Amino acid sequence: GDSVTQMEGPVTLSEEACLTINCTYTATGYPSLFWYVQYPGEGLQLLLKATKADDKGSNKGFEATYRKETTSFHLEKGSVQVSDSAVYFCALSSTGNQFYFGTGTSLTVIP
Amino acid sequence: NAGVMQNPRHLVRRRGQEARLRCSPMKGHSHVYWYRQLPEEGLKFMVYLQKENIIDESGMPKERFSAEFPKEGPSILRIQQVVRGDSAAYFCASSPPMGAWGNEQFFGPGTRLTVL
Repeated sequence: GDSVTQMEGPVTLSEEACLTINCTYTATGYPSLFWYVQYPGEGLQLLLKATKADDKGSNKGFEATYRKETTSFHLEKGSVQVSDSAVYFCALSSTGNQFYFGTGTSLTVIP
Repeated sequence: NAGVMQNPRHLVRRRGQEARLRCSPMKGHSHVYWYRQLPEEGLKFMVYLQKENIIDESGMPKERFSAEFPKEGPSILRIQQVVRGDSAAYFCASSPPMGAWGNEQFFGPGTRLTVL
């Protein structure tokens, strides 16, 4: 069945460091891929998405490229800020009905 | 356009009581999804509903849990005879009819259930 494997955390970085959170997936069809972010005490917010191979999603300095050949959708940011501290979830959807989420990666950015 | 609304935000119940969680989808959205997030874990799909219909309940525990999305009013996730293991954050998400804006789901702020 469909599934998402996400890099485990927690991740602690200094401000302005580079971020990469790995995400690989298994899917029977042609899924859409998503990164959601969850700030403390809040629900999930869509950060970016890609709907087909080689698409690059980007938002707020974050980006991720849909790589069909490696079944990956790694999240990257060149220079993180303290305000980026949150939990990041990789997710896929093949049918549009059910989403499969990774276990989440907690990021803490220290000044 | 208000986002997905959930209430209550926090709910405390004693073992054996009932918990009712409410979700109002975004305006124009006819699809509702419920997820459970256990401490230190990711989100697990529970159920997918459209108005008056349960489409997919493959993630729902077989006993004590039920969900509905009536023609009028919010979607309700009901947990009967709660146990400590039900303590979790329950998130509702909604989406428009398929093909309108793709398959993005919009999440509510969640209800944090604590069972004493």
